[in-house]
Amino acid sequence: NAGVMQNPRHLVRRRGQEARLRCSPMKGHSHVYWYRQLPEEGLKFMVYLQKENIIDESGMPKERFSAEFPKEGPSILRIQQVVRGDSAAYFCASSPLSLRDPTNEKLFFGSGTQLSVL
Amino acid sequence: AQSVTQLGSHVSVSEGALVLLRCNYSSSVPPYLFWYVQYPNQGLQLLLKYTSAATLVKGINGFEAEFKKSETSFHLTKPSAHMSDAAEYFCAVSDNQGGKLIFGQGTELSVKP
Repeated sequence: NAGVMQNPRHLVRRRGQEARLRCSPMKGHSHVYWYRQLPEEGLKFMVYLQKENIIDESGMPKERFSAEFPKEGPSILRIQQVVRGDSAAYFCASSPLSLRDPTNEKLFFGSGTQLSVL
Repeated sequence: AQSVTQLGSHVSVSEGALVLLRCNYSSSVPPYLFWYVQYPNQGLQLLLKYTSAATLVKGINGFEAEFKKSETSFHLTKPSAHMSDAAEYFCAVSDNQGGKLIFGQGTELSVKP
């Protein structure tokens, strides 16, 4: 059973371009979370999705950022018109159940996508 | 709202010495608490979690953490540090709506020979 797969590992974009980050959750996982890690900072929650639905997007910037988790295919985090401040490591995590379910083990994290904006 | 504070962004210990990484939480409901470790250029791996069972939780690689409600703390310890323990450690709390983990700022652990 493959782990959470994120691609690309490294993504370089120029200011104003679009960035698309992909996350394939573990098999059987229907809950996906996106986090952003800025240099010298912890992980900041961005968005929580459950197959075709956005459950919590309280951590997403109001503009330029969007996320989806379609019925088929990976979850996509899309950043339009990137700026230098978007440079960060973006981590995806998946889970088979809600985190409040006591039977749930944990979040499984991918290795992240390092976005660099020139 | 839930929050987590990790005291000390950098901790340095000698090999064989006690490791103590501090975490204090704020939660309006009984919390679920987690410790994760991140090695360079990798994602996070779960060390241990507390979900209202035993207050002393044992995790992987010899780590353990004790939930102290009176102190709102969940400090991570290991009796004897190993060079391979050098990494970034994150404490996290599950939010009361069950939708996400809220992470602390992280503590970078260095282990000196």
